[in-house]
Amino acid sequence: NAGVTQTPKFQVLKTGQSMTLQCAQDMNHEYMSWYRQDPGMGLRLIHYSVGAGITDQGEVPNGYNVSRSTTEDFPLRLLSAAPSQTSVYFCASSYSRFSTDTQYFGPGTRLTVL
Amino acid sequence: AQSVTQLGSHVSVSEGALVLLRCNYSSSVPPYLFWYVQYPNQGLQLLLKYTTGATLVKGINGFEAEFKKSETSFHLTKPSAHMSDAAEYFCAVSEVTGNQFYFGTGTSLTVIP
Repeated sequence: NAGVTQTPKFQVLKTGQSMTLQCAQDMNHEYMSWYRQDPGMGLRLIHYSVGAGITDQGEVPNGYNVSRSTTEDFPLRLLSAAPSQTSVYFCASSYSRFSTDTQYFGPGTRLTVL
Repeated sequence: AQSVTQLGSHVSVSEGALVLLRCNYSSSVPPYLFWYVQYPNQGLQLLLKYTTGATLVKGINGFEAEFKKSETSFHLTKPSAHMSDAAEYFCAVSEVTGNQFYFGTGTSLTVIP
């Protein structure tokens, strides 16, 4: 199993550009989520999904969209990038929606918005 | 929303010394509790978790944590630090009836040879 994969590893955008961060898992996990990691702030939940076709907002959803058309994929879209979105983005998945399950994290995407 | 506090953003210990990383949560109902480790340029890995049962939880790499309800704490310890333990450590909580996780700000552990 590849686990949780994320692409790209690094990305530089100009203000106003849009892009999609890709996340895929091959473990047939029901729950997937996106976090951003900023210095001194830990990880903050952006959006999450408890199954295909079901998504919900986390703590910091503004400026991001998600969809979950398949169990495997959970892309994160930046609609109009802003410098405040410069961050490291992590995708995570777990077997079920129950919070006792272990979350598996991808290696991250380091995004810089100029 | 839940709140997680990790005291000390940077902790340094000598190799072979005790590691103690502190975590407190704010909740009237005890949540589920987790410790994750992040090595440089990598994603997070689960060290250990407390859901129910025994309050002393053992994890990987010799780490353990004790849930103390009266102190709303879940401190992480390891009796003897190893150089390979140098990493960032995150405490996280989730509500028993929810499916969102809340992370602390992290503690960077340095191990001095």
